Amino acid sequence: DAGVIQSPRHEVTEMGQEVTLRCKPISGHDYLFWYRQTMMRGLELLIYFNNNVPIDDSGMPEDRFSAKMPNASFSTLKIQPSEPRDSAVYFCASSLFGQTIDTQYFGPGTRLTVL
Amino acid sequence: GENVEQHPSTLSVQEGDSAVIKCTYSDSASNYFPWYKQELGKRPQLIIDIRSNVGEKKDQRIAVTLNKTAKHFSLHITETQPEDSAVYFCAASWRDYKLSFGAGTTVTVRA
Repeated sequence: DAGVIQSPRHEVTEMGQEVTLRCKPISGHDYLFWYRQTMMRGLELLIYFNNNVPIDDSGMPEDRFSAKMPNASFSTLKIQPSEPRDSAVYFCASSLFGQTIDTQYFGPGTRLTVL
Repeated sequence: GENVEQHPSTLSVQEGDSAVIKCTYSDSASNYFPWYKQELGKRPQLIIDIRSNVGEKKDQRIAVTLNKTAKHFSLHITETQPEDSAVYFCAASWRDYKLSFGAGTTVTVRA
């Protein structure tokens, strides 16, 4: 299994530009999570999906952020327009529901720099 | 929502000594407590987890204990090695699958 795949691994953009981050969860997993990691705020859950349906987006910082999951093998996190304070590492994670809560497996992350 | 506090923020130990990291959580309904290790520039990786129906769990040099009454759990690393140097995060699940993470502990193992 290739694990959770994210692209791009690094993104440098200018303020005001649109940024799209991509994630492919582990095959068969039915939960997908987007996290943001910064030195100041640590690891924050932005949004998560179950069976492609957004369940909780209360962590999305503002309307500039949006996430979609059009099918079980692909999700995107979009920032439009981007701002310097959006600079962070964005992780995608996936999990498989069992009888109890199960392990979340993280992707390698996308390091976003907004100039 | 769930609030997870983690201490200490940094920990330096001599190789071969033990390291202990402690976390407290606020929501008594939380029932899943994973620990992640993150090396510099890498992804967080699960190293051990514990569920609320278990008081202690061990995996080789790593152990986790849970005290539900006091709402705290701890990570114990014995016989530390240089490769144990990393940032360690505790987390608690307080509803559905939402994980709330502690702020992290930077562990440095001195050779």
